Amino acid sequence: QKEVEQNSGPLSVPEGAIASLNCTYSDRVSQSFFWYRQYSGKSPELIMSIYSNGDKEDGRFTAQLNKASQYVSLLIRDSQPSDSATYLCAVNMFMEYGNKLVFGAGTILRVKS
Amino acid sequence: EAQVTQNPRYLITVTGKKLTVTCSQNMNHEYMSWYRQDPGLGLRQIYYSMNVEVTDKGDVPEGYKVSRKEKRNFPLILESPSPNQTSLYFCASKEGREETQYFGPGTRLLVL
Repeated sequence: QKEVEQNSGPLSVPEGAIASLNCTYSDRVSQSFFWYRQYSGKSPELIMSIYSNGDKEDGRFTAQLNKASQYVSLLIRDSQPSDSATYLCAVNMFMEYGNKLVFGAGTILRVKS
Repeated sequence: EAQVTQNPRYLITVTGKKLTVTCSQNMNHEYMSWYRQDPGLGLRQIYYSMNVEVTDKGDVPEGYKVSRKEKRNFPLILESPSPNQTSLYFCASKEGREETQYFGPGTRLLVL
């Protein structure tokens, strides 16, 4: 079964610190990877996508991808209390009938002021 | 404004009473999908639709039905709801070959 694994947390970091969120996936041939942020009771919101090995930066967010290790991470620099949310890792996986976006269960991040 | 809408946003019902949750998108997207979200289990796909009149089962289709008669609408039907269908439901849509999905605001369902 094709899976995406995340540590459920909560991950607690002080305001201003770097938060590091990790995700592993089972499908070696996956090519597209996404991070969604979800505030409590709200819908998921796409914050980063990454397709190539290495780092991709967008403001305070950096996504890192290592396809050989089947590992993708999200770094949040200068963490703010407003970053407190659940972060969902999603991987586009190949199925018999086409691609499918498979979500991890999410990591709860708490940023303490 | 480009958006996915769901109704109702909150629903309390009793076991066995048929209900429908509507989903509508105004972006002319071909692909639509329903997910349920439960604590510790993440988002699990219930059904998806690649286009009008084309639907297929996701990971957890039991107890649900869908229809796609128009491109913009993709209702989720629970013919005989049971307490294990108490959950937070999200509708999503995307352009056919694109990978970015747009989520609706969610419907919180409680089945007593």
